[in-house]
Amino acid sequence: DQQVKQNSPSLSVQEGRISILNCDYTNSMFDYFLWYKKYPAEGPTFLISISSIKDKNEDGRFTVFLNKSAKHLSLHIVPSQPGDSAVYFCAATKEDMNYGGSQGNLIFGKGTKLSVKP
Amino acid sequence: DAGVIQSPRHEVTEMGQEVTLRCKPISGHNSLFWYRQTMMRGLELLIYFNNNVPIDDSGMPEDRFSAKMPNASFSTLKIQPSEPRDSAVYFCASSGDRIYTGELFFGEGSRLTVL
Repeated sequence: DQQVKQNSPSLSVQEGRISILNCDYTNSMFDYFLWYKKYPAEGPTFLISISSIKDKNEDGRFTVFLNKSAKHLSLHIVPSQPGDSAVYFCAATKEDMNYGGSQGNLIFGKGTKLSVKP
Repeated sequence: DAGVIQSPRHEVTEMGQEVTLRCKPISGHNSLFWYRQTMMRGLELLIYFNNNVPIDDSGMPEDRFSAKMPNASFSTLKIQPSEPRDSAVYFCASSGDRIYTGELFFGEGSRLTVL
């Protein structure tokens, strides 16, 4: 049973517009969430994270929103650029209460392939 | 700085053969993770080590899979005997400073094809 779900396998967006990628989770024990980006033939790379004590975290063009009551998070990319075309993975874990951050054993969704067209 | 290094990048083998995948984590990182990516199941955590000790191997599919971390700079994932359903991309990842974001640093992956 999937604990982290990305229900849209793909998304196509015009350059300059907003990209919104969605993620749902079922395990209420999860309290730390991350987004990773993956290009073909490469490993995933970390993009942005959010702790459950926040509902928003922003880093440049990337913003992650967390709705704990709905067990839902989303990644907004504004403005979208052709170089953003990649597979985006949502991941969840338990926060390490001793040190902060995640415990590292991430549970990933299946990913959403984003295509940004010029 | 060198990232996580995995070898081989590609492996094609026949059913029943033993497969060994190798990983060198980033120097100074104390946690190491093995993930498997398939179309059907996405990225699955197989096993992770902390300070060379296996912490959680509940994701290892069956006894045909084994992983070791004999020292802080090397880990192996072994499949014996291999089966066609083991075909996947296997990623190794490492992490260090938990006080930070907890992000994992992934290698480029080892693509395994079992015929």
